[in-house]
Amino acid sequence: GAVVSQHPSWVICKSGTSVKIECRSLDFQATTMFWYRQFPKQSLMLMATSNEGSKATYEQGVEKDKFLINHASLTLSTLTVTSAHPEDSSFYICSAYQGGVNTEAFFGQGTRLTVV
Amino acid sequence: SQQGEEDPQALSIQEGENATMNCSYKTSINNLQWYRQNSGRGLVHLILIRSNEREKHSGRLRVTLDTSKKSSSLLITASRAADTASYFCATVNQGAQKLVFGQGTRLTINP
Repeated sequence: GAVVSQHPSWVICKSGTSVKIECRSLDFQATTMFWYRQFPKQSLMLMATSNEGSKATYEQGVEKDKFLINHASLTLSTLTVTSAHPEDSSFYICSAYQGGVNTEAFFGQGTRLTVV
Repeated sequence: SQQGEEDPQALSIQEGENATMNCSYKTSINNLQWYRQNSGRGLVHLILIRSNEREKHSGRLRVTLDTSKKSSSLLITASRAADTASYFCATVNQGAQKLVFGQGTRLTINP
């Protein structure tokens, strides 16, 4: 099946610094990717839809200046958590459809962010 | 935002028994999908069922969809210890692309 690769799988950073997370579709092109956030023992909350070549669409309540999304190519989307604070510590996970919306979504392995 | 609810939130059964998880949603959908997540890891796709389908099978998995009740169920037959995981339903609403997840069910299979 299709593969979505996410990097890094975990990162620890100091409060106030920025962290970039990469999401790559390895064997298919993805004009749209999705970024989710997951707190322990909770479900996945959609943060934003990343669109290749255009601005991301953010869900209500998600700060676009805090969570910068760039989708510069058909195989790469990046999420940058700017000026990270401990409350940003979470599991971030991306996904993409290989086919259209009536096909399964493929997920990256996730990134565990810890802000100290 | 969450699309709907799943119940139970947690389920613990003996190996060999069947496990049933339910999912409800709120709006008209294109399709509904079930995923499994092992602790702290990525999601594995299980089954996709389209809005015009009522039932699908895959190995020990059986999914039903009732669009009139806006609900779906996932049945795992002859459960195994390796089935221990969190299970999520997710929907793609009509006219949309994004996949929105339910609250999830934490399933524990006791050997």
